Amino acid sequence: EAGVAQSPRYKIIEKRQSVAFWCNPISGHATLYWYQQILGQGPKLLIQFQNNGVVDDSQLPKDRFSAERLKGVDSTLKIQPAKLEDSAVYLCASSPEVPSEQYFGPGTRLTVT
Amino acid sequence: AQSVTQPDIHITVSEGASLELRCNYSYGATPYLFWYVQSPGQGLQLLLKYFSGDTLVQGIKGFEAEFKRSQSSFNLRKPSVHWSDAAEYFCAVVSGYSTLTFGKGTMLLVSP
Repeated sequence: EAGVAQSPRYKIIEKRQSVAFWCNPISGHATLYWYQQILGQGPKLLIQFQNNGVVDDSQLPKDRFSAERLKGVDSTLKIQPAKLEDSAVYLCASSPEVPSEQYFGPGTRLTVT
Repeated sequence: AQSVTQPDIHITVSEGASLELRCNYSYGATPYLFWYVQSPGQGLQLLLKYFSGDTLVQGIKGFEAEFKRSQSSFNLRKPSVHWSDAAEYFCAVVSGYSTLTFGKGTMLLVSP
C-alpha cells in the first residue's frame, strides 16, 4: 500500500513570496490533516479535512494560509505572503476513520529567508 | 484544554540498556494515546496506540507502553535499545473530533 505522498520535499523562498505544498493521502482515507512542525517542537495541527469539508481550521493563520482538498482526495496548502516564522516542516497525514491512527508523509521543509 | 508533557528533551542510553520515555497527558475524558517516532528528515511513524482494554500495549520494533489512568501517564519502554532506535519520539493524545495534540518530543541518543 502506497503511503502519504508530499511534494516538494524542500523549498527555499524569500519572505513575502508565496509557496504551495501538495499532498496525496493513502487511497480510501477520508480524513486529511496538515501539520506545522517548527524545529524543536511537536507537530501542530493547521487544518483537518473530512472528505471535501473542513472539520477544524482553528489554528490556521487565515490571513496568509489557505488549504483546499479537491474531490476529497489530494490537497494543497498555500502560504501567501510568507514570513520568516513560517520556516518549518509541513506534514500531511491521513486516516481511514476517526478516531484512528494517522499516517504521515515525509514532510516538506520550508525555509523562508 | 488537552496537553501532553514529555519532560525529557534529550535522553542518552547505552546500546543494549533499557529505555523508558515519559509522557503525561491532560484530558478530561478517556484518552486515545499514541507514540510516534521520527528519524531525521522523515515523517512520523506510529509505534503503538492505546484506545481501550489492556493497559499494556505492544508496538513495533520491540516497544511497549503502559497506560496509567491514576498518573495520567503513558510511558514508552524498550528492554534493550539498538543503535537504530536513535530518533525523536513523540507522545500524542486524541481529543475532540480526532485532533492529535503532540508533546514537544524526546530526542533519544544511543551511545556505543
